[in-house]
Amino acid sequence: KQEVTQIPAALSVPEGENLVLNCSFTDSAIYNLQWFRQDPGKGLTSLLLIQSSQREQTSGRLNASLDKSSGRSTLYIAASQPGDSATYLCAPDTGANSKLTFGKGITLSVRP
Amino acid sequence: DAGVTQSPTHLIKTRGQQVTLRCSPKSGHDTVSWYQQALGQGPQFIFQYYEEEERQRGNFPDRFSGHQFPNYSSELNVNALLLGDSALYLCASSWGGGVQSNQPQHFGDGTRLSIL
Repeated sequence: KQEVTQIPAALSVPEGENLVLNCSFTDSAIYNLQWFRQDPGKGLTSLLLIQSSQREQTSGRLNASLDKSSGRSTLYIAASQPGDSATYLCAPDTGANSKLTFGKGITLSVRP
Repeated sequence: DAGVTQSPTHLIKTRGQQVTLRCSPKSGHDTVSWYQQALGQGPQFIFQYYEEEERQRGNFPDRFSGHQFPNYSSELNVNALLLGDSALYLCASSWGGGVQSNQPQHFGDGTRLSIL
């Protein structure tokens, strides 16, 4: 059974800092891993998807890395802004287009 | 291009009642998954529909059932509601059910269900 851990549960940083959000998972037999953003009371917005054969994926100020063998992924946010404040969730996919398993997420607050 | 749309946005029910939630997938998507997100938790997979059939199911009781229509839209039904069913119910759509497509799943804004 896949289990996903995201630590810490909450993070507060000043604007402009570069930061790293960590995600660990127990079953390394994954097809891909997605990072999502969730604003309060809203649905999930897909940020990045890393395929199992990839090591990194980049979109703007976001960079996600994947180390499948060690069961770890990181989301790097460069030059953080107050608009980045949200909860960030990672979700590995252990089946072909199948169910995602989520951690509890990391709630990020970027102070102006 | 409309994304995933869910209705209603909010719903209040009492214990023992039944509820139906609706989801229209993103244009071009044929696979719909449902998730339950309790407050402060990550979403938990309920089930997935592809070609109008339930393809996978998470650890949820039979009180949770669903349906997918020929136009790929989907419904989630919950019978005999319990207080613990209060949550945000999220619908996700993707393309290529049954095929390793590595396509991202797209989520709607969810239906907030409150049980009194």
